Amino acid sequence: DSGVTQTPKHLITATGQRVTLRCSPRSGDLSVYWYQQSLDQGLQFLIQYYNGEERAKGNILERFSAQQFPDLHSELNLSSLELGDSALYFCASSAGTSGSPGGELFFGEGSRLTVL
Amino acid sequence: GENVEQHPSTLSVQEGDSAVIKCTYSDSASNYFPWYKQELGKRPQLIIDIRSNVGEKKDQRIAVTLNKTAKHFSLHITETQPEDSAVYFCAASRGAREYGNKLVFGAGTILRVKS
Repeated sequence: DSGVTQTPKHLITATGQRVTLRCSPRSGDLSVYWYQQSLDQGLQFLIQYYNGEERAKGNILERFSAQQFPDLHSELNLSSLELGDSALYFCASSAGTSGSPGGELFFGEGSRLTVL
Repeated sequence: GENVEQHPSTLSVQEGDSAVIKCTYSDSASNYFPWYKQELGKRPQLIIDIRSNVGEKKDQRIAVTLNKTAKHFSLHITETQPEDSAVYFCAASRGAREYGNKLVFGAGTILRVKS
């Protein structure tokens, strides 16, 4: 158990719909990251938040948005869903930026989204 | 932009043999290089990492080497066992305060250990 909690574990929805994925980071971790893993694909970085502020952005579609709340949990909102959005969405957390390089990312179990 | 290339995409070895996976990164400011293992249907988990001030690091059957000049780093697994079968991802990060610890991952290597 990594200490990172993601809900829901599985989600099936239709094209055009909107869903929200939720992530609770490890206790004390300030940074939250969202990654997308499509079938047979690698881990594509979407977005990072640190203590409530957006810190880094990857190739996140305009239809997707995220935020980190004061209690440090994060939500990833996916709208106008398309078939190609079907993927495993991982949330990860780390202790945050301290000026020292690197730092392990702890991944949740993922939310598997299926768009029909 | 930042890019990490990983080879090979698949690797089959006989149990007991060694396995080597290689990665190349593009961002010369990268200073942290972790390796993650992902078993089928599971989350990625860190197995070993190396920082830019170190050339090699070993943990039991696993070792990682880094060549900053060539921007290459490699994962070496010795005496492979069936439970080593998984997808392995390399990653790179700047790790500095202004960039956070965003990891850029390679495409992954499917390792199959045949018994």
